[in-house]
Order: sequence, then structure tokens, then C-alpha cells
Amino acid sequence: DIQMTQSPSSLSASVGDRVTITCQASQDISNSLNWYQQRPGKAPKLLIYDASNLETGVTSRFSGGGSGTHFTFSISSLQPEDIGTYFCQQHDSLPITFGQGTRLEIK
Amino acid sequence: EVQLVQSGAEVKRPGESLKIPCKASGYSFTEYWIGWVRQMPGRGLEWMGFVYPGDSDDRYSPSFQGRVTISADKSITTVYLQWSSLKASDTAMYYCARLRPLGYCSDGACPGAFDIWGQGTVVTVSS
Repeated sequence: DIQMTQSPSSLSASVGDRVTITCQASQDISNSLNWYQQRPGKAPKLLIYDASNLETGVTSRFSGGGSGTHFTFSISSLQPEDIGTYFCQQHDSLPITFGQGTRLEIK
Repeated sequence: EVQLVQSGAEVKRPGESLKIPCKASGYSFTEYWIGWVRQMPGRGLEWMGFVYPGDSDDRYSPSFQGRVTISADKSITTVYLQWSSLKASDTAMYYCARLRPLGYCSDGACPGAFDIWGQGTVVTVSS
């Protein structure tokens, strides 16, 4: 199985800050990487697919990058509605695997 | 509107069976894989498996193979997650999610992104 490791596991930042989360794959997965946001008590929501493609209707403050084994997810200017947990997910090979999540809080 | 609607919370005893539904609407049901994702209390997301309603082809994570069954009923556009004998460790939130294809699906890979999610079903297994 491909292991996905996110860092940090939790993050506290101020409104307006730029925030970056990283996701490392245990082997080369090309650009087969998606990002999800899970707000408290809600189902996950797709934000980014294939490493850098913004899902329709998702704010352009969110962006993704990387390829191979190292990936990043960034929020350009943190807003209060961005609190929640962010997960990466690889779809290069089965079984599909997720990162352990990064919990984002407002300072 | 494209949506997946799940049933309400379930409380079961160890050893009991359970089948939880995920009702799809607003799109062509037979053309998208639908998967199940487990989230244990305070934990991350785990892919369990998925089914292609068009021909009932299925794939399972090795962690869940043999423990659960995923099936689809085209006549009522509903996908199911089923256990024959629950354990306390099955206590979790279960989400169904539609897989939007990002490539060709084979035995070893099924490229895609989970673009539509159900609201989740909480399953509690306790004696």
C-alpha cells in the first residue's frame, strides 16, 4: 500500500496568513493526488484534484502543487470559514489511501 | 441536483448483521463508481471499497475484504454497505462517495476523485 504522510498534524494561524500543508507519498504517484476539506461535523469536500486542479466552485484562495512524492496545499489568505481538517488522498494505485489529516485552527 | 443521501444512525449489538443504504440521484447512476469511506471517532479517512453499478464490478481494500460487502441496486439507484457479523471495532461514521473518473479503471488502479459525498451514517456497535 502507498503510505501518505501529512505535515503538520495540526496548525494554528491568523486570519490573512498564508498557510501551507505538505503531503509525502511513500512512492512515486505522479500527479495522482487529491485534497479534501472536512469542516467539523460535516462530510469531506473535494478541493483539488490531480495535484493542482481546482474543483469547480472552490475558492481560488486554495491551490495545490507538486508531483512524484512531494505535494503541497496552500491557502493564500486564511479566512475563518477555512477551519477544519484537510486530507490528501492518492489514486495512483489500489488501495486508495489518505493522509492522516491536518487540523487547521484560527489563532 | 446531484446528491447522495444516507440513512440515520444505527445502534447494533456485536454479532448482528447490518446493511446501510446510500441513495443516489441527479446523475446517471450506472456510470460512476460509488465508494465507502470509514471514519472512526476522532480519526482519519479509510477507503473501504467501491462498486460500479453499471455491472456490479467491485474493488475492496485488503483491510476490509471479506469483512464487508458492497452492492448496488440499479432499480432504485441505491448502493449498500453490509456486514454479516458486527464487532465493537466497527463503531464509526461511514460515508458513501461518488468517484469522478480521472483515468481508466483496472484491477490495480481506479483513478478518480470523490466529488460527491453523502452526509454519513453513524454506526454504533455495543453490548
